Amino acid sequence: DADVTQTPRNRITKTGKRIMLECSQTKGHDRMYWYRQDPGLGLRLIYYSFDVKDINKGEISDGYSVSRQAQAKFSLSLESAIPNQTALYFCATSPQGHETQYFGPGTRLLVL
Amino acid sequence: GQNIDQPTEMTATEGAIVQINCTYQTSGFNGLFWYQQHAGEAPTFLSYNVLDGLEEKGRFSSFLSRSKGYSYLLLKELQMKDSASYLCAASSGGYNKLIFGAGTRLAVHP
Repeated sequence: DADVTQTPRNRITKTGKRIMLECSQTKGHDRMYWYRQDPGLGLRLIYYSFDVKDINKGEISDGYSVSRQAQAKFSLSLESAIPNQTALYFCATSPQGHETQYFGPGTRLLVL
Repeated sequence: GQNIDQPTEMTATEGAIVQINCTYQTSGFNGLFWYQQHAGEAPTFLSYNVLDGLEEKGRFSSFLSRSKGYSYLLLKELQMKDSASYLCAASSGGYNKLIFGAGTRLAVHP
């Protein structure tokens, strides 16, 4: 079984719709992250969380919100999707005191 | 500002050696990561350098020079399965944040 899972793996939605991307992990890591990846731009950090009560904005948080429901779950929401949010979204985790991040399989999102 | 630069594309021959360079400018630099990413898949961890010098791990080696803001990933005995993107990422600040370069797409041909 995968240590970091993301659902859905693919999603097509329309402009203005609200959608949620979910991330779950069985690694027991405290820290969780959401990134988006666009061609030619690399991975950019949207939000990160160091524990259930700690949520921080990343480089590109506008238009996104997150919820850390439990140590193992970190959800990303697009309140009103727009076409330039079309991207590949990755969740990642890392243990406290260690820098290596481990990535989920990604969610491919298309906003029409 | 914070910036990571690496070549966009490289090609190499099966069995050969290739070096992928990365230069970085970040505040509060902690260390330098390399990840491998096959098309449409998740990035997977390859190496992490904190101190200057070369670290070898099988066919892959990674080098860091903190004073020059420079790193490279060396891949030996290239195999077709090494065709992938290689992401350079700098760890910055006290919050385990990674700043990624755009990635180098490596094509290995027979």
